[in-house]
Amino acid sequence: SQTIHQWPATLVQPVGSPLSLECTVEGTSNPNLYWYRQAAGRGLQLLFYSIGIGQISSEVPQNLSASRPQDRQFILSSKKLLLSDSGFYLCAWAGRGSYNEQFFGPGTRLTVL
Amino acid sequence: DQQVKQNSPSLSVQEGRISILNCDYTNSMFDYFLWYKKYPAEGPTFLISISSIKDKNEDGRFTVFLNKSAKHLSLHIVPSQPGDSAVYFCAASGLNSGYSTLTFGKGTMLLVSP
Repeated sequence: SQTIHQWPATLVQPVGSPLSLECTVEGTSNPNLYWYRQAAGRGLQLLFYSIGIGQISSEVPQNLSASRPQDRQFILSSKKLLLSDSGFYLCAWAGRGSYNEQFFGPGTRLTVL
Repeated sequence: DQQVKQNSPSLSVQEGRISILNCDYTNSMFDYFLWYKKYPAEGPTFLISISSIKDKNEDGRFTVFLNKSAKHLSLHIVPSQPGDSAVYFCAASGLNSGYSTLTFGKGTMLLVSP
């Protein structure tokens, strides 16, 4: 069966510090991978998605970036965090050739102080 | 521009009764719809989906209805249980994105009281 991991589970960072959140998927190959953010009281905002190694599509311009160095690894980064980057970050995967039923990881709670 | 709308931020229902969660969409290219359930501090879990070739899909206590002409779908939970208390997200997908992305609504918080 497929599993998706995210770490860390929680993170408190000062403004201006860098960020690296990691997501890995097991039990599948060539998945589509996604990063979402849920800000307090808001819905799910798609940040980035990838349909293959090195292929990244950005949905919302901001100071975040994403990379996919391996087939089942997706990384969300920032060089300098802003207060507005606080939120709940979710990674998700979907199988190829499907109607895009996405399966989510446990999430990372990021607080920028 | 919100393409998927869940106009009720919250809904309260008594245990045993029916919960009806609503969702409207504006993009006529959407033809596949999903519902997710989310507990606090956890990732959403997939509940049920429906393709536009159907108007109803059932899975146990969960039924999704699709009205294409009204661009409206609803999730019915019968009977509602306290463990159903969570935020429910409606999502849509279509050829416009090659089915590679989902557009989510803002969610409806369901509270089922004993």
